[in-house]
Amino acid sequence: GAVVSQHPSRVICKSGTSVKIECRSLDFQATTMFWYRQFPKQSLMLMATSNEGSKATYEQGVEKDKFLINHASLTLSTLTVTSAHPEDSSFYICSARIIITGNTEAFFGQGTRLTVV
Amino acid sequence: KQEVTQIPAALSVPEGENLVLNCSFTDSAIYNLQWFRQDPGKGLTSLLLIQSSQREQTSGRLNASLDKSSGRSTLYIAASQPGDSATYLCAVRENTGFQKLVFGTGTRLLVSP
Repeated sequence: GAVVSQHPSRVICKSGTSVKIECRSLDFQATTMFWYRQFPKQSLMLMATSNEGSKATYEQGVEKDKFLINHASLTLSTLTVTSAHPEDSSFYICSARIIITGNTEAFFGQGTRLTVV
Repeated sequence: KQEVTQIPAALSVPEGENLVLNCSFTDSAIYNLQWFRQDPGKGLTSLLLIQSSQREQTSGRLNASLDKSSGRSTLYIAASQPGDSATYLCAVRENTGFQKLVFGTGTRLLVSP
């Protein structure tokens, strides 16, 4: 299947700093990528939909100024957690949507474990 | 609003057993349904994808069925192995807009040797 690379896999940062997470589609172009957040032993919660060349679409309750998303190219989307606080500690996962002969499928990155101390 | 539920939430079986994981969704107007596996602290691995027009898909020891009209899907795992231990997530893809995936609550599977 298609490969989505997410970096870093783990990051620890101090409260008040910003952290950038990258999501790359390695062998295909992704006009649409999705960012999810996952709390321990819970399912994935969609945060926002990232579209190449336009503003991201955020889900209800997700602060767009807190979680900045940039989809600057067809292979890269970034999520920046600004002024991080301990409650932002979570597992963040990206996925890329690929459409092959009319079928839509999602491939996921490896996830990023963010710990804010 | 689409809601996806998975039963059971957790399952523990001895090696070799056949097992069934259940997924139900409230809105039958879906584009497709995907089953994923997630190992602790890792991302998601796609297992099977069923288009809305299909009834089932098979890959090795895995078989997924879809009954769109009743809002149900099952994942059948034959001859379970300890390496199958993971969390299994089903997700339905919306038919419109960005075709977002809506995830179920997951089933944590433990297969004992």
